[in-house]
Amino acid sequence: DGGITQSPKYLFRKEGQNVTLSCEQNLNHDAMYWYRQDPGQGLRLIYYSQIVNDFQKGDIAEGYSVSREKKESFPLTVTSAQKNPTAFYLCASIQPTGANVLTFGAGSRLTVL
Amino acid sequence: QQQVKQSPQSLIVQKGGISIINCAYENTAFDYFPWYQQFPGKGPALLIAIRPDVSEKKEGRFTISFNKSAKQFSLHIMDSQPGDSATYFCAASRGNQFYFGTGTSLTVIP
Repeated sequence: DGGITQSPKYLFRKEGQNVTLSCEQNLNHDAMYWYRQDPGQGLRLIYYSQIVNDFQKGDIAEGYSVSREKKESFPLTVTSAQKNPTAFYLCASIQPTGANVLTFGAGSRLTVL
Repeated sequence: QQQVKQSPQSLIVQKGGISIINCAYENTAFDYFPWYQQFPGKGPALLIAIRPDVSEKKEGRFTISFNKSAKQFSLHIMDSQPGDSATYFCAASRGNQFYFGTGTSLTVIP
């Protein structure tokens, strides 16, 4: 089945450490996104990528970095510069044409100890 | 600035009742308005969507009502069931840019 796989599902980090969240899709989608979800704040865009080797900052990019070396993969690094990283992180992708259907992965929950 | 405003933040409905969630947007360039359903610990999943040239769309117990002049749209869940208990997000998009509401936590009481 096609879909988006995020890993790990749960991750614990000590303050001052960088962590990388994986996002892999086999939907042949061009555009990929990272969102952060906090209670009562909805989904906030961190980074997005329309094509390989290209990505743009979203509304809350500070303290995060991404890469897009392959169409299928869009990893997110939460750096030590992110002051409040505890959150639920969602990766998504969209079909290249047509119905504008944004498909989400199951999410990764990061907790900073 | 919040591009899409959603209310209420939480909603409790009796089984069999109607659940109504409202959203408003500012940018008239938006051309696609989806609703997503999210269960705890899962990613959001597309529930139903509408384009601005249509005033209403119905899929089973779920209906979107769209008022272009008021820049508002709403989700109606008829005959609400305990299994509908989830968080619902409205969104507005133009091309590949999506803007989400803050979510509504729906609880359907048996």
